[in-house]
Amino acid sequence: EIVLTQSPATLSLSPGERATLSCRASQSVTSYLAWYQQKPGQAPRLLISDASNRATDIPARFSGSGSGTDFTLTISSLEPEDFAVYYCQQRSRWPLTFGGGTKVEIK
Amino acid sequence: EVQLVESGGGLVQPGESLRLSCVGSGITFDDYGMNWVRQAPGKGLEWVAHISATSSTIQYADSVKGRFTISRDNAKNSLFLQLNSLTAEDTAVYYCARDWNYWGQGTLVIVSS
Repeated sequence: EIVLTQSPATLSLSPGERATLSCRASQSVTSYLAWYQQKPGQAPRLLISDASNRATDIPARFSGSGSGTDFTLTISSLEPEDFAVYYCQQRSRWPLTFGGGTKVEIK
Repeated sequence: EVQLVESGGGLVQPGESLRLSCVGSGITFDDYGMNWVRQAPGKGLEWVAHISATSSTIQYADSVKGRFTISRDNAKNSLFLQLNSLTAEDTAVYYCARDWNYWGQGTLVIVSS
């Protein structure tokens, strides 16, 4: 099973600041890495597929990069609605796995 | 409006069974793989099962293999998950997802004596 390790666990930032979230895989997933946002009481929302492709209607302030084992989700300038938990997911091999999540909270 | 609606959750005792359903409206299932994902209270996301568009490929997480069964009825735009031999560790909100872009609101399964 491919283990995804997200860091940091919590990121405390202010609106307007840049957020950089990391996801590291225990083995290569090539580019089969996705990012999701989840707010309390809501289902996850797909942000990024295939490491860097924004999903439909996702604002340009969200960007993804990386390949192999190291991936980054960047939010260029945090909006109030961006404070949430973010998960990475690998779709390279069965079983599919998620990272433990990074909570982006208001400082 | 695109909607996926799960149902069938509830409170059951250890060892009992449940059948979850996911019905789509304003959305087609036929050409897409479908997945179940669960989230235990206060915890992260856990992928549970996948079924391909024609049901030719089915995969399960090790934690549910042999106990859960995924199936689909494309004619009824429906996805199912049969949960058998439930334990407390299966307590979670269960989400269905179509090609990861569309998710239901979840249905809560509580396993407790």
